[in-house]
Amino acid sequence: NAGVTQTPKFQVLKTGQSMTLQCAQDMNHNSMYWYRQDPGMGLRLIYYSASEGTTDKGEVPNGYNVSRLNKREFSLRLESAAPSQTSVYFCASSEAPGNYGYTFGSGTRLTVV
Amino acid sequence: AQTVTQSQPEMSVQEAETVTLSCTYDTSESNYYLFWYKQPPSRQMILVIRQEAYKQQNATENRFSVNFQKAAKSFSLKISDSQLGDTAMYFCAFMKPYKLSFGAGTTVTVRA
Repeated sequence: NAGVTQTPKFQVLKTGQSMTLQCAQDMNHNSMYWYRQDPGMGLRLIYYSASEGTTDKGEVPNGYNVSRLNKREFSLRLESAAPSQTSVYFCASSEAPGNYGYTFGSGTRLTVV
Repeated sequence: AQTVTQSQPEMSVQEAETVTLSCTYDTSESNYYLFWYKQPPSRQMILVIRQEAYKQQNATENRFSVNFQKAAKSFSLKISDSQLGDTAMYFCAFMKPYKLSFGAGTTVTVRA
């Protein structure tokens, strides 16, 4: 029962480098989400995909891009990492529209130096 | 703008005692969903309890219960008979279709 799988779990980047965070779910959920968690600010929505083939901006989309590769996979890309993007990133999924809550991955701790 | 407000950054409770976490939210909608999530040191986000706004009855899950006051837009979480394993950060969350908005969190420490 894998649920939501995120890779990698930890990553250190230099300013200006790019990387892609991977997320896959095996629950046949329609909707997927990317959040970032910063101290004192809770979790903030970066992007979401309500269904396969659609993506929409959340609260803090600047500096990020996403791809809903298929129903299972939803990736988050940082094109040119900045220290302000140092955070813990969570992927989540849900049955649309999410009224029964989300299932979260275990998170990726990203440090940009 | 912050939709969900948790006014207690930290709380401490003795093992076996009760602790109540507060949460208020802002919405003009009449039908919505509210959640409490637990995040232990492992970082995993775990759903604790869920409340549907159109239901007047407060949700309960074992030692966890909520006090939902719709008119006051308040959604507090009560943890009864606190256990060491309850030590975690707790997040209140408000559901709009497709988007879950979180409060800043309350860190709960259970003392032995």
